[in-house]
Amino acid sequence: QVQLVQSGAEVKKPGASVKVSCKASGYTFTSYDINWVRQATGQGLEWMGWMNPNSGNTGYAQKFQGRVTMTRNTSITTAYMELSSLRSEDTAVYYCARGVRTCSGGNCLYLSDYWGQGTLVTVSS
Amino acid sequence: EIVLTQSPDFQSVTPKEKVTITCRASQSIGTSLHWYQQKPDQSPKLLIKYASQSFSGVPSRFSGSGSGTDFTLTINSLEAEDAATYYCHQSSSLPHTFGQGTKLEIK
Repeated sequence: QVQLVQSGAEVKKPGASVKVSCKASGYTFTSYDINWVRQATGQGLEWMGWMNPNSGNTGYAQKFQGRVTMTRNTSITTAYMELSSLRSEDTAVYYCARGVRTCSGGNCLYLSDYWGQGTLVTVSS
Repeated sequence: EIVLTQSPDFQSVTPKEKVTITCRASQSIGTSLHWYQQKPDQSPKLLIKYASQSFSGVPSRFSGSGSGTDFTLTINSLEAEDAATYYCHQSSSLPHTFGQGTKLEIK
C-alpha cells in the first residue's frame, strides 16, 4: 500500500533552516510528484509547491520562492523540503502528499491522493 | 491565484441527517476540484476527486458534484465518525489552493 512516512518534529530558532523528509513506499517513487502543504495550528491548508522525483523539476508558490528548496534521493525513495530564514509564522505542521499527473492530448489533470502523517516544525527563540 | 470559498464555515448536525457543503471558485476550474476530510491530529484524507469521482475505499454516503465554479460535497445519512473538517482543493492552475474548511460537529 502507498505510504509516505515523514521525519519527526523539529524545534528551530528564528533565522535557522529546517529540512523535513518524506519516505515513500508501496509505489514507484519516480512515477509520481511530491507536493508539500503546511497547516498552522487551528488554521487551513496552504500549498507550498511540488517536485517531480524523476526529473528533479520543481514549482514553488510565490510566497515561498527564495526560501524553500525541494529535493529528492531516488536511491532511498525519499523527498525533502528545506525551508530557510525561519520566522515564528512558519510554525506549522508540514505535510508531503503524492501528486498524480494524468496527461492526454496535451491536457493534464493533477491530484494529490495520499498524504504523510505530518511533521510539526516549531520556530521559537 | 484561484480563491476557493466554502460554506458554511461550521455546521452542527445530527446523525442520519443529510449534509451539503459548497465550494465556489473565483474562476472556472473545470472539474479539477477535490474534497478532503481531516480529523483532529490526522492528515487530510481524499474523499472525492475531480468533483464527482469517489476515491478508493471511501464510503458511498459521500458524493460530489459540480463543474466550472460551483461544487458540492454531500454526505448522506451522516455518521458520528464523520465529525471532521472538510476542505475543497483546486489543482486546475498553480498555485494550487484550498478552501478555508468546513467544520462538522455531530450533535
